Amino acid sequence: GAVVSQHPSWVICKSGTSVKIECRSLDFQATTMFWYRQFPKQSLMLMATSNEGSKATYEQGVEKDKFLINHASLTLSTLTVTSAHPEDSSFYICSANTLLRVLTVNEQFFGPGTRLTVL
Amino acid sequence: AQTVTQSQPEMSVQEAETVTLSCTYDTSENNYYLFWYKQPPSRQMILVIRQEAYKQQNATENRFSVNFQKAAKSFSLKISDSQLGDTAMYFCAFMKVNNAGNMLTFGGGTRLMVKP
Repeated sequence: GAVVSQHPSWVICKSGTSVKIECRSLDFQATTMFWYRQFPKQSLMLMATSNEGSKATYEQGVEKDKFLINHASLTLSTLTVTSAHPEDSSFYICSANTLLRVLTVNEQFFGPGTRLTVL
Repeated sequence: AQTVTQSQPEMSVQEAETVTLSCTYDTSENNYYLFWYKQPPSRQMILVIRQEAYKQQNATENRFSVNFQKAAKSFSLKISDSQLGDTAMYFCAFMKVNNAGNMLTFGGGTRLMVKP
């Protein structure tokens, strides 16, 4: 398989607090991980791309100081929403890609998503 | 930059019938991949089918097939013998091939309802 997990699956937090979301590739080494945000009834919007051991590349309009991404190992990437506000409430999805498996080099494997609600 | 357009926000089909979802894209690339993903109510993204741009033959996966028209930049999905479990959001996606991690660009999605 090529399984990607996310934790937590849902989180509720107070405005002003920080929330960390973990994305793990369980049975493969993810050379690249992607973070998406999906608002209700909308498509997935790419927030950032991260390669293991290097700084993430953020899409235009995404605040890098607010959405901290760390990809410290080939199996783990984290997204920290700092000083969360109600407008950050959304569904966050990670995906992983690997250049180390020839048959699936051009495929992204998606995590189940994390629903964030900021009160 | 690439753009992907799905012109049908919502569609419905009777169980056992056939439905076609439309997708067009814009790119200056010659080497790329196209995908259809399904997102059921659980919101887990599921790969339905993919097409390599360099292949002329349309991809097929059981009841799912595509009509890939490279010159027209069109990539429609046909679902045959629709089943209730096919009810979901369907996203068309474009992937440019490079060695720096392969980024997906998604269309706006089509909500498909299969009616009994």
